[in-house]
Amino acid sequence: EAGVVQSPRYKIIEKKQPVAFWCNPISGHNTLYWYLQNLGQGPELLIRYENEEAVDDSQLPKDRFSAERLKGVDSTLKIQPAELGDSAVYLCASSLGRDRDVFFGQGTRLTVV
Amino acid sequence: QKEVEQDPGPLSVPEGAIVSLNCTYSNSAFQYFMWYRQYSRKGPELLMYTYSSGNKEDGRFTAQVDKSSKYISLFIRDSQPSDSATYLCAMSALGGQNFVFGPGTRLSVLP
Repeated sequence: EAGVVQSPRYKIIEKKQPVAFWCNPISGHNTLYWYLQNLGQGPELLIRYENEEAVDDSQLPKDRFSAERLKGVDSTLKIQPAELGDSAVYLCASSLGRDRDVFFGQGTRLTVV
Repeated sequence: QKEVEQDPGPLSVPEGAIVSLNCTYSNSAFQYFMWYRQYSRKGPELLMYTYSSGNKEDGRFTAQVDKSSKYISLFIRDSQPSDSATYLCAMSALGGQNFVFGPGTRLSVLP
């Protein structure tokens, strides 16, 4: 069974440019997460979806970040405009539901120059 | 004080050694405790998942939770070079899914 798939794996953009990341969760997993991981740090939650609904987006910087999960499957995370401080690894994860094992994708490494 | 503390290492041990990795936390509401392994340039991989206090064993890995001390541990027996990775602890409150991660401990097992 395929795991959580993310693309692209790497992205280099100039500051003030927009960027988007895509995630395909494990089939049947109705909970989807986007995490941010800075170098030498643990992942930090940006947003959690239960099916199509964003149930926790309190840590998402809404002035520049947006996310969507159409039809409760794939999800896209967008940054517009990107800032130098946004350079990090963006991880997508999914699970069957509350209090179940959470599986991570390989992440998208963003470099803003 | 951060909600979850973890010694960042690096921790270097010889092959075959017993490794002890630890996390402390401040939120007494945490009930679910997890250990993840993360290889360089990869996503975290779930190793162990425990609920409340006690021990859980899976092969060479043993997870311990001491809620009274707000302290969790992961033991790796007969460590192998392939165990070289960053180990992240994560925890959440009962019924919640917003896991809080520690910063991770980088482990090197030397052949």
